[in-house]
Order: sequence, then structure tokens, then C-alpha cells
Amino acid sequence: GAVVSQHPSWVICKSGTSVKIECRSLDFQATTMFWYRQFPKQSLMLMATSNEGSKATYEQGVEKDKFLINHASLTLSTLTVTSAHPEDSSFYICSARDWGREVAGYNEQFFGPGTRLTVL
Amino acid sequence: AQSVSQHNHHVILSEAASLELGCNYSYGGTVNLFWYVQYPGQHLQLLLKYFSGDPLVKGIKGFEAEFIKSKFSFNLRKPSVQWSDTAEYFCAVRPDSSYKLIFGSGTRLLVRP
Repeated sequence: GAVVSQHPSWVICKSGTSVKIECRSLDFQATTMFWYRQFPKQSLMLMATSNEGSKATYEQGVEKDKFLINHASLTLSTLTVTSAHPEDSSFYICSARDWGREVAGYNEQFFGPGTRLTVL
Repeated sequence: AQSVSQHNHHVILSEAASLELGCNYSYGGTVNLFWYVQYPGQHLQLLLKYFSGDPLVKGIKGFEAEFIKSKFSFNLRKPSVQWSDTAEYFCAVRPDSSYKLIFGSGTRLLVRP
């Protein structure tokens, strides 16, 4: 099956620092990747859609200057949390859409294992 | 606004019991429906999906779900659960031709051996 990895799997940082999270599609090309945020006991909330070679599309209420997304290649998207604060502590999950697997006009999304960010 | 509701936040069952997890969505247009499972320490995996046709969908590991359009529901079922089914289950909706997935809040299932 299609595999998506995330690095790091967990990170602890001091308030005010920036943290970069990588999302890679290991065995397929992904022109589109998605970044989600999951609070404890809550649903995954889509933060942004990352398109290779173009600017990311952010969901309403998500600060694009705080959550910088770069999708420089067909297999890598990065999310940088700038000037992190304790309220940014969360579980960040990426998914990648596989162009090679289309069913009824839909390309399935495959999810990474997530990155737990703790800001002290 | 589009939303997905999973009313059961925690479910505890004994092995061999039958399972039904509820999922309701609010959207009047065409939708695709999904159930994902997240085993402890692992990533989200697709259990099954509905796009069109037979409203009773069969997925992996003996799971099935039924789409009832009139009730805006897509409940997940399994006739006999196993200890290994202990996981968190998420219902998700894809409205129209969007590639966005809208997730429910999840249901944590604990199966006691």
C-alpha cells in the first residue's frame, strides 16, 4: 500500500521557537498533500491543502503566517509552526493524495502517523 | 456548515459482541462517505468507503456500513468483534467533488477479551 511518513514523530520546543514537520510520500507521487490538526478527544481538522509548486490553500481561521507550508517536490511537504506557543501544542497529521489510485474520480488520501508537538 | 456527528464517543464491548457505530452528516448534496480506523500508535487507515451504488458497503476485516440517504447516516457495523478491533474509528464525508474530508470526532472502541 501507499506509505506516508512524518518526521519527527514527536517534538518538544520552547515558546517562541519555530518547528518544522516533514511529510513524505514514500512510494508514490503526491501533487496534493493535506495538513490536519487533532486536539485530544476531538476530530481531525483540516488546516490547509498543500499543492506542489504553488501556494497552499488555508482553511478559514488558520493563520498562514504562523503555519508556513512548503510543497517543493512531488514527495515532500513541510509545515513550519513559527513562533510556537503552548496553545499550538497538538497532534499534526498529514495526508497525501495518490494520483495513481483513482476510483470514481477520487484519488485516495493516505495518512501519515502524525507528529505530536508540545510547546513549553 | 457541513459537519459529521459521531454520537458514541466511547464504546466498550466483549469479544464476539456485535458492533454498530453511528455516523450522521449534515450536507444536502452528493457526498462520498468513509470510515477510517486508527489502531493504538498507528496512522489512520481506510476501512471502507461509499461512492455510489449498493448502499451496503463491505470493507476490510469484516466491517460493513450502510448508507441511508433519508437519514443522512452511514453507520458502521461488525457482527462479531475481536480484541484486535480495539481502536478509534472516524467517520468522514467528502462533499461533492471536493477533495476535502470532513471528519467526525471519533469513537474509541475497547473490546475486552
